[in-house]
Amino acid sequence: EVQLVESGGGLVQPGGSLRLSCAASGFTFSSYWMYWVRQAPGKGLVWVARINSDGRSTRYADSVKGRFTVSRDNAENILYLQMNSLRAEDSAVYYCVRAVYLDLWGQGTLVTVSS
Amino acid sequence: EIVMTQSPATLSVSPGERATLSCRASQSVSSNLAWYQQRPGQAPRLLIYAASTRATGIPARFSGSGSETEFTLTISSLQSEDSAVYYCQQYDSRGTFGQGTKVEI
Repeated sequence: EVQLVESGGGLVQPGGSLRLSCAASGFTFSSYWMYWVRQAPGKGLVWVARINSDGRSTRYADSVKGRFTVSRDNAENILYLQMNSLRAEDSAVYYCVRAVYLDLWGQGTLVTVSS
Repeated sequence: EIVMTQSPATLSVSPGERATLSCRASQSVSSNLAWYQQRPGQAPRLLIYAASTRATGIPARFSGSGSETEFTLTISSLQSEDSAVYYCQQYDSRGTFGQGTKVEI
């Protein structure tokens, strides 16, 4: 089955760190660019980061630049998002998404930043 | 950063009617524009890419048009299951989304 499954979300204190993972299956993961997209409760979709197929090129939204790092392991078919210096405004459901057209979405993992 | 602006914020329509949703880019994105549907409690679903190409399995009542900075999503003959929030997204530079249009039926 073609799918993306995120994990690693949870409750973290402001200033803390969290690493999200996204396991891909059913397609040739190494051929696709990948995105992380987030959605705060009751809000819209926000692009967070993207990585090219071999992992050598990454881009970030201004709001997370310098704090978040996207990476991938093409041998294990896993996408990562390392999130440091977390803030309350980073609280959201984080989706792993296959690019370029964002045609395959995971179910999302909830990150809550609160003391 | 390219800013995407959608209008209207909310659209109330009756079953069988046509809905027209607009999306404007702050600068040209060529045809690098996609539309997504998000029903409550679900992940978004790709409807349209390359401004006018329907994604796999998307009904023909969904159509997209436009280029450069002005884009439109048309839903002809609305059905109850089309109640959702619709987002446009440019993928010409990074991947910014519009703020969404809620369609109420």
